[in-house]
Amino acid sequence: DAGITQSPRHKVTETGTPVTLRCHQTENHRYMYWYRQDPGHGLRLIHYSYGVKDTDKGEVSDGYSVSRSKTEDFLLTLESATSSQTSVYFCAISEPDTYNEQFFGPGTRLTVL
Amino acid sequence: GQQLNQSPQSMFIQEGEDVSMNCTSSSIFNTWLWYKQDPGEGPVLLIALYKAGELTSNGRLTAQFGITRKDSFLNISASIPSDVGIYFCAGRYNNNDMRFGAGTRLTVKP
Repeated sequence: DAGITQSPRHKVTETGTPVTLRCHQTENHRYMYWYRQDPGHGLRLIHYSYGVKDTDKGEVSDGYSVSRSKTEDFLLTLESATSSQTSVYFCAISEPDTYNEQFFGPGTRLTVL
Repeated sequence: GQQLNQSPQSMFIQEGEDVSMNCTSSSIFNTWLWYKQDPGEGPVLLIALYKAGELTSNGRLTAQFGITRKDSFLNISASIPSDVGIYFCAGRYNNNDMRFGAGTRLTVKP
């Protein structure tokens, strides 16, 4: 298995509070991604990073920001969580020459009350 | 945006039966991928397809990249209980824009 960990694995928070999810990899892969998974929607890309300090928006980026100060860490921040952001969040990594083959972390289940 | 229609949404089959599921899109994709997700875990890549018409196997799994580049199917032969899970198709549109189907939930009865 690719060395990808996500923390926390579960979180319950209240509407309006800031939340930061962390993805950590030990594979030294250049690309990192954040997805959300909701019933009936599969996985949808929130943001991705193609290198340290290089990030770009995905399909559903509104309400989310990301940062990547080190190769191994990719942070997803919800500045002011809303109930619509209740979801399971997955991090993924890939290499440029095989960027189709994304390896996923175990996921973080976030509940916003 | 690119939308993928994956069917069926769920399947209940007997152990030993073959399974077929597919994904269609109104737009062209450059790459098709198939993932499996077990409960409480992230998706795991099963098969990647890079050329229209390509047929690729991985053990009991076979997948094809449609000639029109707008569809793909996945077949599982002689299903076993550990095949249970959710199967996702994914199409790569450009560089890092990959779209996923909603998934096919497979249940295998022993």
